[in-house]
Amino acid sequence: KQEVTQIPAALSVPEGENLVLNCSFTDSAIYNLQWFRQDPGKGLTSLLLIQSSQREQTSGRLNASLDKSSGRSTLYIAASQPGDSATYLCAVAEGGSEKLVFGKGTKLTVNP
Amino acid sequence: NAGVMQNPRHLVRRRGQEARLRCSPMKGHSHVYWYRQLPEEGLKFMVYLQKENIIDESGMPKERFSAEFPKEGPSILRIQQVVRGDSAAYFCASSPDLRQETQYFGPGTRLLVL
Repeated sequence: KQEVTQIPAALSVPEGENLVLNCSFTDSAIYNLQWFRQDPGKGLTSLLLIQSSQREQTSGRLNASLDKSSGRSTLYIAASQPGDSATYLCAVAEGGSEKLVFGKGTKLTVNP
Repeated sequence: NAGVMQNPRHLVRRRGQEARLRCSPMKGHSHVYWYRQLPEEGLKFMVYLQKENIIDESGMPKERFSAEFPKEGPSILRIQQVVRGDSAAYFCASSPDLRQETQYFGPGTRLLVL
């Protein structure tokens, strides 16, 4: 059974810092991995999607890496801003299934 | 192109009543997924549907829960005889094709059972 773990559960940093969020998964037979952002009381916004054959994806100040063999992904946020404050969710699409398996998320607070 | 739409955004029911949650996928999307987020928990997959077909319902509780995606109209998640443990945020997502793109999520329906 696929399990996704995100560390840390919460993170508070001052504005301007670079930071790394971690995601690990137990079964490396994944089709892709996605990072989402969730704001309080809102839905999910897709940030980056990495196919299983890819090593990383970049969008603006965000960079996500994938090491499928070790079951790990990281989300790097450069020059953090207060507007980045949200919960960041990691999800994997398993091979042979359409469903996404989510971690519990990392709640990020960027202090001005 | 409007995003995934869900209604109602908030729903309050008393124990024993029925809850009906609606999801309109993005235009051109024929795949719909329902997820549930319990308080302090991650999102859990419930069911995956295509038009008029349930493809994977491995995450659906065996009793009281049902889902449909008719040929015309929105997808419906129905919860009969709700209990307090059903209180959660229910998210719908849609995609245009198998695994080619991300699933696009709606804003969710927050269900509160009194």
